[in-house]
Amino acid sequence: GAGVSQSPSNKVTEKGKDVELRCDPISGHTALYWYRQRLGQGLEFLIYFQGNSAPDKSGLPSDRFSAERTGESVSTLTIQRTQQEDSAVYLCASSLLGLITGELFFGEGSRLTVL
Amino acid sequence: AQSVTQPDIHITVSEGASLELRCNYSYGATPYLFWYVQSPGQGLQLLLKYFSGDTLVQGIKGFEAEFKRSQSSFNLRKPSVHWSDAAEYFCAVASLSQAGTALIFGKGTTLSVSS
Repeated sequence: GAGVSQSPSNKVTEKGKDVELRCDPISGHTALYWYRQRLGQGLEFLIYFQGNSAPDKSGLPSDRFSAERTGESVSTLTIQRTQQEDSAVYLCASSLLGLITGELFFGEGSRLTVL
Repeated sequence: AQSVTQPDIHITVSEGASLELRCNYSYGATPYLFWYVQSPGQGLQLLLKYFSGDTLVQGIKGFEAEFKRSQSSFNLRKPSVHWSDAAEYFCAVASLSQAGTALIFGKGTTLSVSS
């Protein structure tokens, strides 16, 4: 696609429910990143996929968070048993060959509100 | 651990005036540094990046930044601000010590432009 596409753009859910957020990176981009942006905070790194390598999950805040990526295409971020502190904008970014050789292209984010 | 500090949460500048946004980083090796801008309703866009070489880096939209190793700083500057520059600005450092690479972001500086 022309840019990084994320869906849904807005999601309101009840505490305790599971949510799935989807990211469709730019075609051909091998690297894919998920970040979380809470109100008044910077971007918090969550997880990074690079090609077929094992993902870097070091930023996931708890075991309620998981992400998958099929090959070099779509990624899904899943949050189980959502809590109010999970409310944030979840940003996805992709890059052609990884951070050092190219810039990150960000989607517009999925805004999650947990009631 | 790598970190980025943006001391100014909010700055207001008159249109046509000069701008400097501060960024300090903490990183053991030679850092890879970035500035991103997030305009309302839009995704993050790369303004400029520093990998090596000339410590004064030119970016898009008339922005520049200077890497000063002795001060662990990478301040963003623009000689004459336009109303369209009102946005949130994020400084970031690449984290290379993990299995992959990711950007570590500061908390951002919100720029308002007054007429």
